Amino acid sequence: DVQMTQSPSSVSASVGDRVTISCRASHGISSWLAWYQQKPGKAPKLLIYGASSLQSGVPSRFSGSGSGTDFTLTISSLQPEDFATYYCQQASGFPLTFGGGTKVEIK
Amino acid sequence: EVQLLESGGGLVQPGGSLRLSCAASGFTFSSYGMGWVRQAPGKGLEWVSCISGSGDNTYYADSVKGRFTISRDNSKDTLYLQMNSLRVEDTAVYHCAKVGDILTGYYTRFDYWGQGTLVPVSS
Repeated sequence: DVQMTQSPSSVSASVGDRVTISCRASHGISSWLAWYQQKPGKAPKLLIYGASSLQSGVPSRFSGSGSGTDFTLTISSLQPEDFATYYCQQASGFPLTFGGGTKVEIK
Repeated sequence: EVQLLESGGGLVQPGGSLRLSCAASGFTFSSYGMGWVRQAPGKGLEWVSCISGSGDNTYYADSVKGRFTISRDNSKDTLYLQMNSLRVEDTAVYHCAKVGDILTGYYTRFDYWGQGTLVPVSS
């Protein structure tokens, strides 16, 4: 099974800050990686798929990069609505696996 | 507009059974794979199961294999999860989710999610 490790587990940031979240796969997964945003009590929302493709309707301040084992989600200028928990998910094969999550909190 | 509405959750005793349903609308249901993802209270996301658009192919996490069965009724645009031999550690909110890939056999992302239904397993 491919294990997904996210870092950091939490980050404190201010509105307007650039935020980067890392995700590392235990085995190479090419570009089969998705990123999700989840707010408390809500369903996850797809942000990025294929490591770098922006899901329709998602603001362009979100971007993804990486391939193989190392991936990054970047929020270029943090907005108040971006405070949430973010998860990566590998899609190279079953079982599908998620990272442990990164909580973006208000500084 | 894509909508996914789960139902069937509720308190169940260890060893019991429950069937979850997910009513889908807003897309051609039979053209897309579907899945279930759960989230234990205060924890992260855990993939549970997926099924192909035709229903011919199913996939399970090791933690539920042999106890849970995913199925679908394309005439009713409904996804199911039959859960047997439930354990305390199965306590979670269960989300159904639509696979973003059409008719490819790939499962690269979940592009729409339901709000989830809570399944507490406790005596």
